[in-house]
Amino acid sequence: QKEVEQNSGPLSVPEGAIASLNCTYSDRGSQSFFWYRQYSGKSPELIMFIYSNGDKEDGRFTAQLNKASQYVSLLIRDSQPSDSATYLCAVAWAGYALNFGKGTSLLVTP
Amino acid sequence: GAVVSQHPSWVICKSGTSVKIECRSLDFQATTMFWYRQFPKQSLMLMATSNEGSKATYEQGVEKDKFLINHASLTLSTLTVTSAHPEDSSFYICSATPRVRGGETQYFGPGTRLLVL
Repeated sequence: QKEVEQNSGPLSVPEGAIASLNCTYSDRGSQSFFWYRQYSGKSPELIMFIYSNGDKEDGRFTAQLNKASQYVSLLIRDSQPSDSATYLCAVAWAGYALNFGKGTSLLVTP
Repeated sequence: GAVVSQHPSWVICKSGTSVKIECRSLDFQATTMFWYRQFPKQSLMLMATSNEGSKATYEQGVEKDKFLINHASLTLSTLTVTSAHPEDSSFYICSATPRVRGGETQYFGPGTRLLVL
């Protein structure tokens, strides 16, 4: 059973702070890792993906992957109220469908 | 790039009728398309996976005779909810994976809200 675990939250951070979202996965063979954002009432949108251990930065977002510890995280710098959403972690083994976590709700307060 | 559309965005129908939802990849060919359902304040639930030209694979608990999936081309998949009932009211979302080597990235459509009266 391939599990992807996320804390459901809500995670509350003040505007301008760094939001840190975490995700753990059970399948050591997982090779691709994705973060999606879903606003209430909308469909998920891809934020970024990461394949290799370490950090990957894209604007205010940084994905961090540690395959040995089987976790992937997403950091959001300078959090804005517009970042308030549910963040979905997804994990895949090469060529296979994504396994989604249940999502972490983030609330950025002004 | 990697745009997925869905049509219609909203459907209201009477109980017992059938509803067809289209999912199109607009600027890429999709190896695989996925259909999800999401109830209010709940997480995404994968219903089925479809590959062009072959039968869809349904998740456990999803009735394949009720939720008919046709993946006629590399850019179009349809979901038909047959004999819809109020409990089928939900947010239906499709996603598509580009036809590239090692591609697992799923791009989501905007979703279709179904309300069955």
